[in-house]
Amino acid sequence: DADVTQTPRNRITKTGKRIMLECSQTKGHDRMYWYRQDPGLGLRLIYYSFDVKDINKGEISDGYSVSRQAQAKFSLSLESAIPNQTALYFCATSDLGPTSTDTQYFGPGTRLTVL
Amino acid sequence: QKEVEQNSGPLSVPEGAIASLNCTYSDRVSQSFFWYRQYSGKSPELIMSIYSNGDKEDGRFTAQLNKASQYVSLLIRDSQPSDSATYLCAVNSGGSNYKLTFGKGTLLTVNP
Repeated sequence: DADVTQTPRNRITKTGKRIMLECSQTKGHDRMYWYRQDPGLGLRLIYYSFDVKDINKGEISDGYSVSRQAQAKFSLSLESAIPNQTALYFCATSDLGPTSTDTQYFGPGTRLTVL
Repeated sequence: QKEVEQNSGPLSVPEGAIASLNCTYSDRVSQSFFWYRQYSGKSPELIMSIYSNGDKEDGRFTAQLNKASQYVSLLIRDSQPSDSATYLCAVNSGGSNYKLTFGKGTLLTVNP
């Protein structure tokens, strides 16, 4: 079984709709991240969470919100989707433990299309 | 603004050759450096991490780090068509902040 899972894997929605992307991990990591990837722009950080009570904005958080329901679950919401939020979204995790090498491990991604 | 720069490519090499991928970074206090491989439409996959100046070898892959020049590279020996992918350089400034800054990636094509 995959260590980091994302649902849905693909989603097509309309402008103005609320969308939630979910991420779950079995790696036991404390830190979780949401990125979006656009052609030519690379990976950009949307939000990150270092533990259940810690949520931080990344470089492109406008139009997004997150919820850290448990150590293993981190959800990304688009309150009112717009076409320029069409992108590939990745969840990632990393370890804060004493042997941490701060390596981030990525989920399989969600391809979101906003019409 | 912390920046990580990579040549976007495409870099094209023949099968069996050495592919050399380069990355420069702007934050002098950066401590951790990573190379990820990403196939089209797939998630980034960690290939190498390097923390100290010098070379680190893992199979056909060698990462090289020069902190004085703020430069990190990835060499792929005996390149195979299956190595064709986008290679992402990522840099972490360390401390309590484990956020990575990614370059935009270099597209590598290995021709049979």
